[in-house]
Amino acid sequence: AQRVTQPEKLLSVFKGAPVELKCNYSYSGSPELFWYVQYSRQRLQLLLRHISRESIKGFTADLNKGETSFHLKKPFAQEEDSAMYYCALSGASGAAGNKLTFGGGTRVLVKP
Amino acid sequence: DTGVSQDPRHKITKRGQNVTFRCDPISEHNRLYWYRQTLGQGPEFLTYFQNEAQLEKSRLLSDRFSAERPKGSFSTLEIQRTEQGDSAMYLCASSPRLGRETQYFGPGTRLLVL
Repeated sequence: AQRVTQPEKLLSVFKGAPVELKCNYSYSGSPELFWYVQYSRQRLQLLLRHISRESIKGFTADLNKGETSFHLKKPFAQEEDSAMYYCALSGASGAAGNKLTFGGGTRVLVKP
Repeated sequence: DTGVSQDPRHKITKRGQNVTFRCDPISEHNRLYWYRQTLGQGPEFLTYFQNEAQLEKSRLLSDRFSAERPKGSFSTLEIQRTEQGDSAMYLCASSPRLGRETQYFGPGTRLLVL
């Protein structure tokens, strides 16, 4: 079974402070992990995926298979980072078509 | 806008009525997914199409729910005899066929059952 846990419902930080969103997963195979973001009144959109190893909008995430974690980090938060963030997992290819299993989401509020 | 589109964006209905939602995926995407999102939760998988074939259905998808994707283009999700517990945001996503590709989401249809 696939499971994704985001322990923090809300993270409130000041502009310029570091921010880290925690994500832990449970999956027996080799997963692919994603971070999706939803800004106010916008649709869910991909922020980054572990396989691409990119830094998007200053955010990075490292897949730690030993700790089954995929935490999202940014060294200096900006007000425009205020949004809802979802960690998601895709299992092995097959009949399931790579459905995504999402965590419950973390709301980030960056205060001026 | 060439992204995933959904119609309607909002639907209010009375308990017991039937509702149908439509999703138009990105044109070259073979895979189409439906998810449901309730307040304070992340999206939950409902069903998946590869072209016109429905290949997987979640246990969340009761007998009152049916989805189709005729001709492998747009998809419809119908809920019969709606219940108050069906109130949620229904999200559609599409992706290319190649492996574990990124899923692109539509704006969603918000359903309220009174």
